[in-house]
Amino acid sequence: AQSVTQPDIHITVSEGASLELRCNYSYGATPYLFWYVQSPGQGLQLLLKYFSGDTLVQGIKGFEAEFKRSQSSFNLRKPSVHWSDAAEYFCAAFTGGGNKLTFGTGTQLKVEL
Amino acid sequence: EAQVTQNPRYLITVTGKKLTVTCSQNMNHEYMSWYRQDPGLGLRQIYYSMNVEVTDKGDVPEGYKVSRKEKRNFPLILESPSPNQTSLYFCASSGLSRGETQYFGPGTRLLVL
Repeated sequence: AQSVTQPDIHITVSEGASLELRCNYSYGATPYLFWYVQSPGQGLQLLLKYFSGDTLVQGIKGFEAEFKRSQSSFNLRKPSVHWSDAAEYFCAAFTGGGNKLTFGTGTQLKVEL
Repeated sequence: EAQVTQNPRYLITVTGKKLTVTCSQNMNHEYMSWYRQDPGLGLRQIYYSMNVEVTDKGDVPEGYKVSRKEKRNFPLILESPSPNQTSLYFCASSGLSRGETQYFGPGTRLLVL
């Protein structure tokens, strides 16, 4: 079955430090991949998505993600984290029928000042 | 402004008392979906709809009903809520093209006593 795995439940980084959130997918073909952010009390906002082409994808708020087929990964990165980036981050994959998004379990990011 | 709205945002109810959570979108999207979010489980799809009068089960449909009588609205019905349906619920909508971005509502936090 298709699945999306986010191995890190919680991550803490200092403001200004770099960030990498991990995401692995299990799917026979290349899925459509997404990163969403959920700020406290808010809905989900799309950060970026990958369908095909250039494997390095730029998103909003200074985020980027790199698709690596050989590692079945789609890790999210940011060179310098801001305190306002503290939120929960979800990786998701569109794996076929019914426009269904399969979500990972999320990574809670804490930013230390 | 393009948006998905949900009502109510917060709801406390008792076991067995029927309730409806409304969802409306103003983007003329064909596809709408309901998810529930639980700690450590990410978001799981409850039901989805590809168009008016076309609905189908997601991964966790038990205890829920939906209807799609109008394109813009997709209410979620809990006919006899139970405590295990205490959760955060999200409605989402998108176009039908493969991998289209799904836009999420702000969420409805439900507590069933």
